[in-house]
Amino acid sequence: KQEVTQIPAALSVPEGENLVLNCSFTDSAIYNLQWFRQDPGKGLTSLLLIQSSQREQTSGRLNASLDKSSGRSTLYIAASQPGDSATYLCAVNAQGGSEKLVFGKGTKLTVNP
Amino acid sequence: DTGVSQNPRHKITKRGQNVTFRCDPISEHNRLYWYRQTLGQGPEFLTYFQNEAQLEKSRLLSDRFSAERPKGSFSTLEIQRTEQGDSAMYLCASSSWMSFSTDTQYFGPGTRLTVL
Repeated sequence: KQEVTQIPAALSVPEGENLVLNCSFTDSAIYNLQWFRQDPGKGLTSLLLIQSSQREQTSGRLNASLDKSSGRSTLYIAASQPGDSATYLCAVNAQGGSEKLVFGKGTKLTVNP
Repeated sequence: DTGVSQNPRHKITKRGQNVTFRCDPISEHNRLYWYRQTLGQGPEFLTYFQNEAQLEKSRLLSDRFSAERPKGSFSTLEIQRTEQGDSAMYLCASSSWMSFSTDTQYFGPGTRLTVL
């Protein structure tokens, strides 16, 4: 059974700092991995999708890497801003059939002005 | 393209009542997913449709839950005889699936259910 773990559970940083969020998964048989952002009481916004054949994806100040063989991904946020405060969720897309997403519990990020 | 929409956004009900949620996916998307999220947890898969066919259901989906997607467009999720443990955010997502290709799942804003 695929399990996804995110560390740390919560992170508080001062504005402007670069930071890394970690995600690990137990089964390397994945189609892709996605990072999402969730604001309190809201739905999920997709940030980056990395296909299993890729090593990284970049969008603006965000960079996500994938090491499929070791079951790890990182989300790097450069020059953090208070508007980045949210919960960040990692999800893997299981191979075969539904391609349902298996999520971690998320990392709650607070960027202090 | 207005994205995935869900209605209602909030629902408060008494234990034992039935509730129904609606999801309207992005128009050209052939796959539709339902997830449930409780406080402090990531979303958990409930079920999914490809066009109008319901192809997989999670063990989380007890027989009190039923989902439909008539004509492969919008979907409804009904919970009968609600219990306090059903209180959660119910999220809908849609994607465009083709053989040997995967796409991002786009999520709606969710329906928050509170069972008193």
